Amino acid sequence: DSGVTQTPKHLITATGQRVTLRCSPRSGDLSVYWYQQSLDQGLQFLIHYYNGEERAKGNILERFSAQQFPDLHSELNLSSLELGDSALYFCASSDLGGANVLTFGAGSRLTVL
Amino acid sequence: AQSVTQPDIHITVSEGASLELRCNYSYGATPYLFWYVQSPGQGLQLLLKYFSGDTLVQGIKGFEAEFKRSQSSFNLRKPSVHWSDAAEYFCAVGAPNNNNDMRFGAGTRLTVKP
Repeated sequence: DSGVTQTPKHLITATGQRVTLRCSPRSGDLSVYWYQQSLDQGLQFLIHYYNGEERAKGNILERFSAQQFPDLHSELNLSSLELGDSALYFCASSDLGGANVLTFGAGSRLTVL
Repeated sequence: AQSVTQPDIHITVSEGASLELRCNYSYGATPYLFWYVQSPGQGLQLLLKYFSGDTLVQGIKGFEAEFKRSQSSFNLRKPSVHWSDAAEYFCAVGAPNNNNDMRFGAGTRLTVKP
């Protein structure tokens, strides 16, 4: 157990729907990162939050959004889902906002039918 | 921006044999380098990292990696592979003090033959 908790582990939904993925970082970590892992794109950085504030955006679609709450958990919202959004979504946390080791959760597997 | 290449998509080795997984990076200065392992259905687990100092770094599970600036490489090695090492291995390169710019390689899938 890495200490980073992601829910749900698996999610199946239909095109056009909206889902929310949740991440609780490791105790004491202030930074949360979201990554998407797909067969064709590999592991892609989506977005980074540090202590409730957005720090950086990567290859995140406009249909996707995220936030980090005062208790430091984070949610990734995916809307108007398309087949191509099917992927593993990982959350990672670290204790600093800068360069440090990322601790990954087990991921949420999203299947869009 | 930095990038990382893992030339081998899939490697098969026999149990007990030695292992070397290749990683080449592109970055203008000395990057931060990482190796992660992903077992089926699991998240990525850090094996080892290089920030500075000794270019040969030891990690968990008997793995080591060597940073070679002249070759822009950070190859992962293990002298004797165990069946439990079968997994996907990712090399990652990051800019110092900037996790937002961390790039992962496409991964190398390791199969271990009995």
